Amino acid sequence: EVQLVQSGAEVKKPGESLTISCKGSGYSFATQWIGWVRQMPGQGLEWMGFIYPGDSDARYSPSFQGQVTFSADKSISTAYLQWSSLQASDTAIYYCVRQMTTSWFDPWGQGTLVTVSS
Amino acid sequence: QSVLTQPPSASGTPGQRVTISCSGSSANIQSNIVNWYQQLPGTAPKVLIQSNNQRPSGVPERFSGSKSGTSASLAISGLQPEDEADYYCAAWDDSLNGPVFGGGTKVTVL
Repeated sequence: EVQLVQSGAEVKKPGESLTISCKGSGYSFATQWIGWVRQMPGQGLEWMGFIYPGDSDARYSPSFQGQVTFSADKSISTAYLQWSSLQASDTAIYYCVRQMTTSWFDPWGQGTLVTVSS
Repeated sequence: QSVLTQPPSASGTPGQRVTISCSGSSANIQSNIVNWYQQLPGTAPKVLIQSNNQRPSGVPERFSGSKSGTSASLAISGLQPEDEADYYCAAWDDSLNGPVFGGGTKVTVL
């Protein structure tokens, strides 16, 4: 079974750093793009960008460029989403997805809830 | 404000047909495939329709997708209580050089 399993919920203070993870299994992790999608509370879906685990080539949506960093370790089939300084507005659920084609995302990870509050 | 426009809500009684529209432009829907996602309450989205009108294995036949010009539609024929969820369309946007989502449509089964 193809699946993506994400790390657990996080509660952080503004200004803190954070890395969340997404581990793939059941397919060739290194050869398919992993995307990240944000869902703010009560809101819709926003594509943040994607990374190719094979060579760590990362592309960012303009809205997220400079705000987050994608990385991947193909040896352990894991992708990461990192913040260096969180803000309250980063509070959201973050999903990793296998990006099959331009807008075909399958499967989705279960989501990681990030709460940033003082 | 989403690049793709969906109605915020839709509703119907069990057995009825419900249609959700997704309006875009020549930069996205007209020139790229459309995919639809279903998000049940408290869960991650899952793909419902891929490549405009293809149902992945396991998706009930009552769900169907279509596309014409700069618009796409998702139809649920024979609405079921378990179809109560949020539905999102998505397509690549050539101008933005990335995928874009509709704002989502909340389907309520009356």
